[in-house]
This record gives sequence, structure tokens and C-alpha cells, in this order.
Amino acid sequence: SYELTQPPSLSVSPGQTARITCSGDVLSKQYASWYQQKPGQAPVLMIYKDTERPAGIPERFSGSSSGSAVTLTISGVQAEDEADYYCQTPDTSGIVLFGGGTKVTVL
Amino acid sequence: EVQLAESGGGLVQPGGSLRLSCEASGFTFSTYWMHWVRQAPGKGLVWVSRLNDDGSKTNYADSVKGRFTISRDNAKNTLYLQMNNLRAEDTAVYYCVRDSGVTNTWFDYWGQGILVTVSS
Repeated sequence: SYELTQPPSLSVSPGQTARITCSGDVLSKQYASWYQQKPGQAPVLMIYKDTERPAGIPERFSGSSSGSAVTLTISGVQAEDEADYYCQTPDTSGIVLFGGGTKVTVL
Repeated sequence: EVQLAESGGGLVQPGGSLRLSCEASGFTFSTYWMHWVRQAPGKGLVWVSRLNDDGSKTNYADSVKGRFTISRDNAKNTLYLQMNNLRAEDTAVYYCVRDSGVTNTWFDYWGQGILVTVSS
């Protein structure tokens, strides 16, 4: 069965660039999405189809894809970006996969 | 405005049953695939189940297969999750989510979540 792997944590200073990579064999076959979740809140869609940004999501959030990995980039990190981030994709049998999540801390 | 409102959560003993409901509004419910996603306390997101637009196709995570049943009533704009033979490890916040993808899957709207606690 497929899995998605993310680093558990990442620390970044305000104004710097944060990059979170999600890897898994299924990502060479399927598009990925990214979600932001703040404590006590429901997740929010940040990126879909690897690179597309929904309306209302700041331009500093971007997505990219290469082979069996996708990356969420936060350019010019702000304090409000401190949150957990999850990658997600469907596998080829109808099951939906989430990565384990990455906790981003803004120093 | 798209809204998803879960209800039916609470405390249940191991081996018990519970039915979650998710009332949808602000969009044409009958044209979207819908899912349930859960999150155990302090843990990550875990996909539970999905149902296609007309209710004829379902998928389940292995951890709930045979115990949980997803269904919908398009006339009532409501998604359900019948949970039987509940275990302590089913304790989680359960989210109702809308699938906006056509050839792929992504979740553009989430409910606020409802807590299910399985404990004696």
C-alpha cells in the first residue's frame, strides 16, 4: 500500500522561506493537495492539483512537484503561518492518503 | 456560503454504536462526492470513508471496514456515518468534508468537526 512521508517539524524565522516536502510513490501518478491546520480549527485547503492556489490563499503559499515528491513553499513566513501542514492524495484504488503532518514553528 | 454542520457525536462505551450526521448547505449537495476524515487527540488527519454523488459507490479505510457505513440522503442534503462496534481507537474529532475534485480528490470545505469519545 502507498504512504506519504513528511518531516514532523520545521522551524523558520519570520521573513524566511519554509519548504515542506511530502514524498511517496503514488505522487508520480496522482496530484497532491496541502492543508493548513491551526490549533482547535478545521483544516484549510492551501494548494490543490500540486500547484493550484484556491481563492483567498495568500500568494506566499506555492506548490511544486517533481517525480515522487511534492513541496509546499511558504515565502516570507509570517507569525500567522505557524500551524500544522498536511499533504494529501488519493491512491489508485479509491483510498485517500494523508501525510503525517509537519508542525511549522515561526521563531 | 458553503456550510457543513456535523452532529451526533458524544461519549459511547466500547462495542457501542453512534450515527453522525452532516447537514450541508450553500451548494448543490447531490452533485458532490463526500468524505469523512478523523483526527485522534493530538494526532494527524486520517481518512475514513467516501461516498459518490448518488450514493452508489463507497470506499473505507481498512481500520473501519465492516464496522462503519457511509450513506447520504440527497433530498435532505445530509451525509451520515453509522459507526458500530466502536473501539477506544475510534476516539477522534470527525470531520465531514466536500470533495471538489473530478479526476482527483481534494477537500475544499470542511465542517467544524464533532468529537466522538469511546470509553467505559
